[in-house]
Amino acid sequence: EPEVTQTPSHQVTQMGQEVILRCVPISNHLYFYWYRQILGQKVEFLVSFYNNEISEKSEIFDDQFSVERPDGSNFTLKIRSTKLEDSAMYFCASSFGTPPNSPNFGPGTRLTVT
Amino acid sequence: KQEVTQIPAALSVPEGENLVLNCSFTDSAIYNLQWFRQDPGKGLTSLLLIQSSQREQTSGRLNASLDKSSGRSTLYIAASQPGDSATYLCAVSLASGGSYIPTFGRGTSLIVHP
Repeated sequence: EPEVTQTPSHQVTQMGQEVILRCVPISNHLYFYWYRQILGQKVEFLVSFYNNEISEKSEIFDDQFSVERPDGSNFTLKIRSTKLEDSAMYFCASSFGTPPNSPNFGPGTRLTVT
Repeated sequence: KQEVTQIPAALSVPEGENLVLNCSFTDSAIYNLQWFRQDPGKGLTSLLLIQSSQREQTSGRLNASLDKSSGRSTLYIAASQPGDSATYLCAVSLASGGSYIPTFGRGTSLIVHP
């Protein structure tokens, strides 16, 4: 069964550094999402992406964040200048259909900002 | 804005008990509702998906019900086992406004002891 994959599984970075989290959505899916989960807190929506543009974003997704689909398979989340509070598990998800079906989630990337 | 609440926040039971986990949501114009399992530090495993037109879904020892009019869903776990120990998350997607993005509750942390 096809799965959403994410790399790396764990990323450690220093405060102020740029970080790129990578995701490979399921191949025939058209909608892509990023969520984050700070340790001990709930899973929060960051952004959704459809037809090569952001379709919706939360108030968390400020100018420090950007998303890109650089080719036909990858979907990336960039954090320009990481802060300590960006430490979290970041989940990528994808879905298909119109309206979109319930997303398939990836295993997550744990980001630790020191 | 959809708010999703899960009760109880934590539950510790002996093996063999039948359990009920509760999820409530504020906007009843939902598209679907999904239950996930999350092991510590891990990703999201989809357990059951209920479409808005459905009343319940079953998978093995798990049964999820949906009552849209009252804004509630329950996850019933029969004959609990230590391997069921995990956090159970409820996620609700709204149909209104063209946004089908899941909103998560904080989860119920379940411990089943032998």
